[in-house]
Amino acid sequence: GENVEQHPSTLSVQEGDSAVIKCTYSDSASNYFPWYKQELGKRPQLIIDIRSNVGEKKDQRIAVTLNKTAKHFSLHITETQPEDSAVYFCAASPNDMRFGAGTRLTVKP
Amino acid sequence: GAVVSQHPSWVICKSGTSVKIECRSLDFQATTMFWYRQFPKQSLMLMATSNEGSKATYEQGVEKDKFLINHASLTLSTLTVTSAHPEDSSFYICSARQAELSTDTQYFGPGTRLTVL
Repeated sequence: GENVEQHPSTLSVQEGDSAVIKCTYSDSASNYFPWYKQELGKRPQLIIDIRSNVGEKKDQRIAVTLNKTAKHFSLHITETQPEDSAVYFCAASPNDMRFGAGTRLTVKP
Repeated sequence: GAVVSQHPSWVICKSGTSVKIECRSLDFQATTMFWYRQFPKQSLMLMATSNEGSKATYEQGVEKDKFLINHASLTLSTLTVTSAHPEDSSFYICSARQAELSTDTQYFGPGTRLTVL
């Protein structure tokens, strides 16, 4: 089955800096790669996703890149703000979605 | 966007009792629903996948007789934790997908926090 690895597990940045979270996956059949943001005790919220026919996607301060050959994808957050502080999960889906272990992002004001 | 609800949001029960959790897609029909379990400070672990009108597919290590899943309609799936024990205490989250395509977005419910005494 699909195995998703996510790094780093924790990330602390200064407000205004960029943050990058990386994930790798194992199943070459995976064709959908969403990123979720989860605040404590709340549901995961989809922030951006990418499908395998696209290499990069951007939505304001958030971007995701996908390298299917290397089986890795990354989340990039620019101009970070304190409200970006949360746990971020990547996921890969050949059919059902498998999550990475999560990255706790802290943005210091 | 699509809305998924869960009920109850939290439940406390005695060891040995059963608890039912409902997951509803409010403004779309969900051909597939997923059940996840999340322990504190950990990731979401897929427990099972359910398709409307058919039996759920359970992940390895998840006891299907303990975690009963029913997906009776295109808007409702239920998870029943039978004979609950303290180790079943966790955050249970469902998600729903409108189409059968794996590239379709999954929308998550708000989760149910189960505490077994």
